[in-house]
Formats: sequence, structure tokens, C-alpha cells
Amino acid sequence: DQQVKQNSPSLSVQEGRISILNCDYTNSMFDYFLWYKKYPAEGPTFLISISSIKDKNEDGRFTVFLNKSAKHLSLHIVPSQPGDSAVYFCAASTQGGSEKLVFGKGTKLTVNP
Amino acid sequence: EAQVTQNPRYLITVTGKKLTVTCSQNMNHEYMSWYRQDPGLGLRQIYYSMNVEVTDKGDVPEGYKVSRKEKRNFPLILESPSPNQTSLYFCASSLLKAGGLDEQFFGPGTRLTVL
Repeated sequence: DQQVKQNSPSLSVQEGRISILNCDYTNSMFDYFLWYKKYPAEGPTFLISISSIKDKNEDGRFTVFLNKSAKHLSLHIVPSQPGDSAVYFCAASTQGGSEKLVFGKGTKLTVNP
Repeated sequence: EAQVTQNPRYLITVTGKKLTVTCSQNMNHEYMSWYRQDPGLGLRQIYYSMNVEVTDKGDVPEGYKVSRKEKRNFPLILESPSPNQTSLYFCASSLLKAGGLDEQFFGPGTRLTVL
């Protein structure tokens, strides 16, 4: 049973436009969510996170939104740049309980110049 | 430089030949973990460790062993590798903050092929 779902395997946007990557989760116990970016031949790198006590967290061009009632989060990248082209993984964990991190399958973002 | 290192980066072996993939971090992190990445399956956790001598199973532990004798090292052991363990493996580490995990730092990956 997949607890963290990224239903779009790929996304293509034009440089300068907004990229929106979506993630859904099924386990209502998850209360901490992270986004990682992965370039080919490299390990994933942390991008941004959000706790369930918030509904939005912003860091420069990256904003994560959390809708707890819908069990949905999204990552917005504005404006998108060609260097943002990578695979983005959504991950979730339960703070103070399990220390396991559950990842989605990833979305490959391509930003076209 | 703060980093997680893995060795080897690439390995081709044969079924049944025991192997160890090493992982080391220099950030004094309590938490370390192993993941495998397979096409269409994303990152799946194999084992994790909260501290020295404390290890626990992730989602796909079958066929793997780990040990945590020192804080900085967390080797992954395949006692009898099989072709279905052909994958890209990542080691990660993080601090443990009040309430749970902090962001994880990942190593560069080890591409393992089992013939």
C-alpha cells in the first residue's frame, strides 16, 4: 500500500513559469513533510519541509502548501529555471513516533528554456 | 566539508558472493539509513539506525543486514546477493531533533549489479 503518492511521473514547463508538483498521502498520522530534489548520478538533496501545524512554508522561489483535510501537499516553484530540471521526491514522517521516512515515487520536472 | 560518503560507487558481482557497501558521515549525526531506488518505485527504506547499536527494519529489509558499531559508520551487508537486489543504493544521515527527524543528507549512491 503506497502511503505517499506522486501521481504525475513527469512535468514539463517553460522557463519563467510556475511549476506545481503534487503529492498525496494516506496515513493521517504523518505530520512532517519534506521535498527532495535529485539530479542524475547524485544523491537526493533536501529542498524544503513543512510541519502539520503550518499550511504554508516559503523559501525563496520554493513554496510548499499543505492541505491536511485533503491529505495533499504541493510544491510551487516560481519562476522556474532550467537548473530546476530534476526528479522531485515528496516524503513524509511521523514526528515523535516512527522515525521512518516514506517517499513517493518522484516526479521528473523538465524546465524548457 | 560535511558529507556522506559511500564505497564503492559502482559494483558488479555474482549471485551469492557476499558484499559490503560502506557508508560514513562526518556530521556527528545520530540517525543513519539505507535506501534503494528502483525505476517506478521511488526510494524505499531498507534499514535505519537511531544511534550506535540501535538498528531497525525499514520497508524492504529482506536479504540485507546492517551494523552500527560506531556513530559515523553504517555498512550495508548483502550476505548472499541475488539479481533482484540489483539497484541504486543511497545512504543518508540526519540529526534527531525534538519530535523526530531533521532533514536527511544523502550520499552519492552505489550502483549495484548482481549477475
